[in-house]
Formats: sequence, structure tokens, C-alpha cells
Amino acid sequence: NAGVTQTPKFQVLKTGQSMTLQCAQDMNHEYMSWYRQDPGMGLRLIHYSVGAGITDQGEVPNGYNVSRSTTEDFPLRLLSAAPSQTSVYFCASSPGTGYGNQPQHFGDGTRLSIL
Amino acid sequence: GNSVTQMEGPVTLSEEAFLTINCTYTATGYPSLFWYVQYPGEGLQLLLKATKADDKGSNKGFEATYRKETTSFHLEKGSVQVSDSAVYFCALSKTGGGADGLTFGKGTHLIIQP
Repeated sequence: NAGVTQTPKFQVLKTGQSMTLQCAQDMNHEYMSWYRQDPGMGLRLIHYSVGAGITDQGEVPNGYNVSRSTTEDFPLRLLSAAPSQTSVYFCASSPGTGYGNQPQHFGDGTRLSIL
Repeated sequence: GNSVTQMEGPVTLSEEAFLTINCTYTATGYPSLFWYVQYPGEGLQLLLKATKADDKGSNKGFEATYRKETTSFHLEKGSVQVSDSAVYFCALSKTGGGADGLTFGKGTHLIIQP
């Protein structure tokens, strides 16, 4: 029972490099989200999606791109990494329309360091 | 906009003590409210939830009641254990099912000493 799977678990980048954080869920959930967690800041929403082909910006979208070509996958792209993007990134999913107020299921996170 | 405020930590208690972690929120309408727990090195796990006023969520001895009149959702446990040491997050969902994500508080680090 995989749930929400994030890869990689750890990554170190140099400033200016690009990379993609992967997120996949096997629960056929409509809704998916990306958050970043920084000390003393809680979790802040980066981007979210309510279904394949539909994405929108959250609270802190700058420097990140997303796409949702399938229900299962929701990758997060860093276009040109900056030290301010050093953080722990969490992907989450929830069932979607018609399922009431179901909670979000979280992956185990990706710890990203930008040097 | 939406916001969640919870007490800053760390909160240090002795085993078997009574726990309260305060959480208040600002949102229009009727949000759903959640408590998540994060153990060291892990992701967030749902602890409990409440979807309408006066609902009480409960799980593993933890309880929280959705109080619309005071816009609060305080987390309580009657007797804490060392294994309850973790970071606790209060969160709200404005739309059904969290379509546009959750708004989190900053988290409360709970330390239980034997």
C-alpha cells in the first residue's frame, strides 16, 4: 500500500542548477499539493492541482513550476535553484470532489539543500 | 485570507501530565479543521479532524472540539506518554476535501520526559 511516494529523499544542488522532485500517488486521488517546510514557518503551499491538466499557485509559488499530465503524478520543478529554496518538500493528495472533507495524505518528504 | 495560530514551542511535560495545545483560526465560512502529527524524520500523519461546529475529533487519546464561537480547535490529551513526543500542526481547509490545499499553523514541538 504505497500511498504518496516522493523521490528523491535527499538532494544537494548547486545554485543555478535545475531539478525535478517527483510525487506519485496510487490512490486515484483528484487533488494534489506541494508544500515546503521551513523551521519556525510550518508548511506553506507552493502549488496545487484539482485534477489532470489543472494547476494553480499557492502561497509561495515563485521559482517553482508544476504540471499534472496524469492523475497519479505531480512533479515539482525548480528552474534555477537558489539557497532560499533549501527546505523540506512535501507532496500530499486527497480524494477530491464528492468525498466530503477528506484529509490530505502526505509523502515522507524530500530534503533539499542548495549550496 | 485564512490563517492558523498555534502556541509556540517547545512544550515540555512529564509523562502522564495533561496536555493542551492551543489553536485558533481565521477564515470565512465553515472550514474543516485538522491536527497533524510529525515524528522525527517522517512526513505528516493525520491525528484527528472536525468538519463542522461542535464536532469533536478524537484519536489515540487525543481530542479537539471545533468551537466556532471562539474560532478555536485546541488539542488535548489526559495523560501523555514519551511516545507522544513530536511536532503537532493545526490546519484548516477552506474548500471541501482540501482542493486548494491546507493552511497550517507553525507547529508546536512537544517533548515528553519520563
